[in-house]
Amino acid sequence: DVVMTQSPLSLPVTLGQSASISCRSSQSLVYSDGNTYLSWFQQRPGQSPRRLIYKVSNRDSGVPDRFSGGGSGPDFTLKISRVEAEDIGVYYCMQGSRWPYAFGQGTKLEIK
Amino acid sequence: EVQLVESGGGLVQPGGSLRLSCAVSGLTLSDNFMIWVRQAPGKGLEAVSMISNDGITFYTDSMRGRFTISRDISKNTVSLEVSSLGTEDTAVYYCARAHWGSIDFWGRGTLVTVSS
Repeated sequence: DVVMTQSPLSLPVTLGQSASISCRSSQSLVYSDGNTYLSWFQQRPGQSPRRLIYKVSNRDSGVPDRFSGGGSGPDFTLKISRVEAEDIGVYYCMQGSRWPYAFGQGTKLEIK
Repeated sequence: EVQLVESGGGLVQPGGSLRLSCAVSGLTLSDNFMIWVRQAPGKGLEAVSMISNDGITFYTDSMRGRFTISRDISKNTVSLEVSSLGTEDTAVYYCARAHWGSIDFWGRGTLVTVSS
C-alpha cells in the first residue's frame, strides 16, 4: 500500500505570514492515464474535511487563491500565503491513484 | 445540490455489528463511486471501503471480511455493514463521493462507539 508522510505535524504560524506543508509518497502516484491524483483537504475543528486542491495543483471552486499546491512525485507541497484566523485546522494530503486511498497523518495549523 | 446524510451510528459492544446508511441526493449512484472514510477520536482519516458506479467493491485489507459495502440504487442509499467490532473501530464514519482519484463531497459523519 502507498504510505503518505506529512511534515511538519504541527505548524505554528503568525497571522499574515506564509505556511508550507510537505507530503511525501512511498510510491509513484502517476496513474495509467498520466495524471497524478494527489489532493489536499482542510478540516476545521468539529467539521467534515473539505477539499482544497486536486490533481496536485488544481484549486477547488471557492477556495481562496492564498492556497496553492505543487510538486511532483514523491514530494508535494501545500502553501498558504497570508495565513488568516479561519485557516486554523488540520490539513491532510491524500493519494487516490491506487486503492486503498491513503491520507497523510495530518498537519495541525495553529496561530502563534 | 449534493447532500450526503449518514445514519446508524451508536454505541455497540465489542464483537457486535451495525449497519451504517448514507442517504444521497443530488447524485446518481449508477454514475458515481462512493466511499466510506473513518476518523478515530483525535486521529487522522482512513479510507474504509468504496463501491464503484457499476457495483464493484473495494476494501482495505484490515477490514475485508468484517465490513460490507452495498448500495440501493432505487433508494439512492449506500450502506456499510460493520461486524466483529473492536474498540479500535470507534470512529466517525463519513460517507463521501470519490471522483477522479479524489473525494469532493463529504457527509457530516456518524459516530460509532465500541465499548462494553
